[in-house]
Amino acid sequence: NAGVTQTPKFQVLKTGQSMTLQCAQDMNHNSMYWYRQDPGMGLRLIYYSASEGTTDKGEVPNGYNVSRLNKREFSLRLESAAPSQTSVYFCASSELLVRSSNSPLHFGNGTRLTVT
Amino acid sequence: KNEVEQSPQNLTAQEGEFITINCSYSVGISALHWLQQHPGGGIVSLFMLSSGKKKHGRLIATINIQEKHSSLHITASHPRDSAVYICAVRRMDSNYQLIWGAGTKLIIKP
Repeated sequence: NAGVTQTPKFQVLKTGQSMTLQCAQDMNHNSMYWYRQDPGMGLRLIYYSASEGTTDKGEVPNGYNVSRLNKREFSLRLESAAPSQTSVYFCASSELLVRSSNSPLHFGNGTRLTVT
Repeated sequence: KNEVEQSPQNLTAQEGEFITINCSYSVGISALHWLQQHPGGGIVSLFMLSSGKKKHGRLIATINIQEKHSSLHITASHPRDSAVYICAVRRMDSNYQLIWGAGTKLIIKP
């Protein structure tokens, strides 16, 4: 059972470069999320998708874009990377939005991104 | 002040000890999550609760809604329990899905 698969696991970018983080889930979940995790801080929501075809900003969306390509896939794009975007990025999914349901979150293994 | 505070930030204990990790929050909530982050980075949901107590194996989670406080207990702790334990709350009036604590790093020594 793959669950939530994120790629790549590690990435180093130079300031100004762009990249896309890929995420796919095989649990037929409606909702998907992108979080970033920084030392000493709780997870912060970047963007989320309540269902296929919809995306919404989270707490820290600046500098990022997302695409919900289909029900399985939710990608996160950094158009022009900055050192402040150095972080660990997690994709997650849930059957229904965690804001309004008892659905548990399922996480990918994370992407460690360094921007120099 | 963060809306979700965990204590302690770091905890080191000997194998077999009873472990308690605390989570306090300052907002009205409809549910609270406990998650475990392994040293390799993967995050796993442990519990979601809105009242009372839940038990799974050696793990017990309790919540007191009136006191805005939850605890995660581990009985007969083992080195494989070493991880970061994270508390997150579903706030009643937020658009931000969940509000996350910063985590408690637990190390169990053999």
